[in-house]
Amino acid sequence: DQQVKQNSPSLSVQEGRISILNCDYTNSMFDYFLWYKKYPAEGPTFLISISSIKDKNEDGRFTVFLNKSAKHLSLHIVPSQPGDSAVYFCAASRRNSGNTPLVFGKGTRLSVIA
Amino acid sequence: DTGVSQDPRHKITKRGQNVTFRCDPISEHNRLYWYRQTLGQGPEFLTYFQNEAQLEKSRLLSDRFSAERPKGSFSTLEIQRTEQGDSAMYLCASSLGGPSFTEAFFGQGTRLTVV
Repeated sequence: DQQVKQNSPSLSVQEGRISILNCDYTNSMFDYFLWYKKYPAEGPTFLISISSIKDKNEDGRFTVFLNKSAKHLSLHIVPSQPGDSAVYFCAASRRNSGNTPLVFGKGTRLSVIA
Repeated sequence: DTGVSQDPRHKITKRGQNVTFRCDPISEHNRLYWYRQTLGQGPEFLTYFQNEAQLEKSRLLSDRFSAERPKGSFSTLEIQRTEQGDSAMYLCASSLGGPSFTEAFFGQGTRLTVV
C-alpha cells in the first residue's frame, strides 16, 4: 500500500526551463510534506517542506505547492540548472501526531539538459 | 559536527553471516531513524529511536533484524543470518523531535551486498 506516490519515474528538462515534479498521497492524516534530493552514492538531502496549513512555500528557485483537497503536491524548480539533476523524493509525515517517521515516494529522476 | 555518519559505507557478506552497521547521528539530535532503500524504491522506514527508547518498528523489520541505541547516542543495526533479499542501501537519519522539530538529516548510507 503506497501512501505516497510519485508516478513519473523520470523527467527531462532543458536548462533554464521549469521543472515540475508531482506527488500524490492517500493518507489524509499527513500534515507535513517534504522534498529530498539524492545524488548517486549519497544520502538524501532535505530541500524544502510545507505544512498542511499552507498551500505554497518558496525558497529561492524552489517552490512547493500543496492542494489538500486533491491530496497532491508539486515541486517547481525555476530556472532548472544542470546541477539539479538528481533523484527527487517526496515524503510525508504526521507532525501533529508526534512527528511520525517519514513515508517516502519512489522518487523521480530529473535530468536537466544543458 | 559534520552530520550523520555511517560505517561501513560498503559491506559484502556471504549468505547466512551476521552483519552490524553503525550510525552516529548529529550530536544534539534526540531522534534516530533507520531506513532501507532498494533499487527503484524510495527509502522504507525500518525503526526509530527517541533517545535510547525504540519507539516504532516496521513490519519490514523481521526477527533477524535488531537495532539498539545505548545511551541515546550512536545506534547499531544488526542483521542475523543474512539473505540475498537483504541486499540494499541502509540509511540512517537523525532529527530533533518535540517542539524544536527539525527535518531528518541522512547519512550517506551503508550498501549491503549478500552473495
